[in-house]
Amino acid sequence: DAKTTQPPSMDCAEGRAANLPCNHSTISGNEYVYWYRQIHSQGPQYIIHGLKNNETNEMASLIITEDRKSSTLILPHATLRDTAVYYCIVRVEGGADGLTFGKGTHLIIQP
Amino acid sequence: GAVVSQHPSRVICKSGTSVKIECRSLDFQATTMFWYRQFPKKSLMLMATSNEGSKATYEQGVEKDKFLINHASLTLSTLTVTSAHPEDSSFYICSAIGTGGANEQFFGPGTRLTVL
Repeated sequence: DAKTTQPPSMDCAEGRAANLPCNHSTISGNEYVYWYRQIHSQGPQYIIHGLKNNETNEMASLIITEDRKSSTLILPHATLRDTAVYYCIVRVEGGADGLTFGKGTHLIIQP
Repeated sequence: GAVVSQHPSRVICKSGTSVKIECRSLDFQATTMFWYRQFPKKSLMLMATSNEGSKATYEQGVEKDKFLINHASLTLSTLTVTSAHPEDSSFYICSAIGTGGANEQFFGPGTRLTVL
């Protein structure tokens, strides 16, 4: 799986959009970008994934650059419950291997 | 969505004893389950891959005789930490792959193991 780079921490005001960047310059053509988050002392939670088109679901939006070397996860209206560590992972969709977690971004939502 | 449970959520044991952790897929059948370990302020590290009806595959550096994995059914995998020592204290998390085409992984809530 390709390696990803994320900022170690970010702050965001409650109610504002949280934009979390991820660099994945060595991503392969068949690898998707996945985002998970882990709230303190809980198991990771799947958020969203995409290949090259922007994706949106009830939790977030995923914007992938045209060259696919970076992406941004957007939480449109952050709440205090969104405080968590967010992990960006690139992998083949449908792969049956375990996930490789980097250090992620610790997002802190400020009241 | 698919739900994965773990039991117990917390366990404290004495050094030298063995501890069993269960991982269950509640509303789907899981052909493959994974076990991860997470030390404080660190990221999750994959320990092993468990396939129903076959032997688990362990990551490099994980002792297979110490961390026994059994995946006897499509809804249950167990991790037994044998002869536990304080350095085994950690947060153990399992995940399961569903039988649908996306092979998405669903994570359990984790088990906090403290070895005294």
